[in-house]
Amino acid sequence: DGGITQSPKYLFRKEGQNVTLSCEQNLNHDAMYWYRQDPGQGLRLIYYSQIVNDFQKGDIAEGYSVSREKKESFPLTVTSAQKNPTAFYLCASSMASGRTDTQYFGPGTRLTVL
Amino acid sequence: AQSVTQLDSHVSVSEGTPVLLRCNYSSSYSPSLFWYVQHPNKGLQLLLKYTSAATLVKGINGFEAEFKKSETSFHLTKPSAHMSDAAEYFCVVINQAGTALIFGKGTTLSVSS
Repeated sequence: DGGITQSPKYLFRKEGQNVTLSCEQNLNHDAMYWYRQDPGQGLRLIYYSQIVNDFQKGDIAEGYSVSREKKESFPLTVTSAQKNPTAFYLCASSMASGRTDTQYFGPGTRLTVL
Repeated sequence: AQSVTQLDSHVSVSEGTPVLLRCNYSSSYSPSLFWYVQHPNKGLQLLLKYTSAATLVKGINGFEAEFKKSETSFHLTKPSAHMSDAAEYFCVVINQAGTALIFGKGTTLSVSS
């Protein structure tokens, strides 16, 4: 089955620790995205990548880092510099990054900082 | 700048009655608009999208939306609600570069029997 997988589903982190969230897609999509969702709000863009070995900051990139070494993988690292990391993180991908391209979402990772 | 406003944070309907979820948009260019649905602790699923073709867009699970430029609206409707429709619904516009989705704050749909 084609799709987007995110792991783990739930993640707990102590303050001061970095943590990496996994996102893999087998849709052969060029573009990938990371969004953050907080209660009662829509999603906000953290980072996006239009092609392998290239990525751009979104609206709320501070305290996060990404890499795009392979087309199918786009991991997100939440660093200790992120002031309020507890949130639901969603990865998405699209064939390309155009205005008519549909973004498809993974099931999400819920991160809780203890 | 482009944005979307979902006019109701919570809508309650009875099973078998019509659903109306309201969305207004603001855009300086011809927008591409989407409705996504999210069930608790799940990812988002695309219901339908408008990309400047037919103004009445049909989606999955019996949902449809009408793009009205004169009213800058893109309301989501369904003739008859089902219990499984209970979820969070997001109206979304894509930015001009096509690199980011811009979300409304969401509407929670409750369906009672």
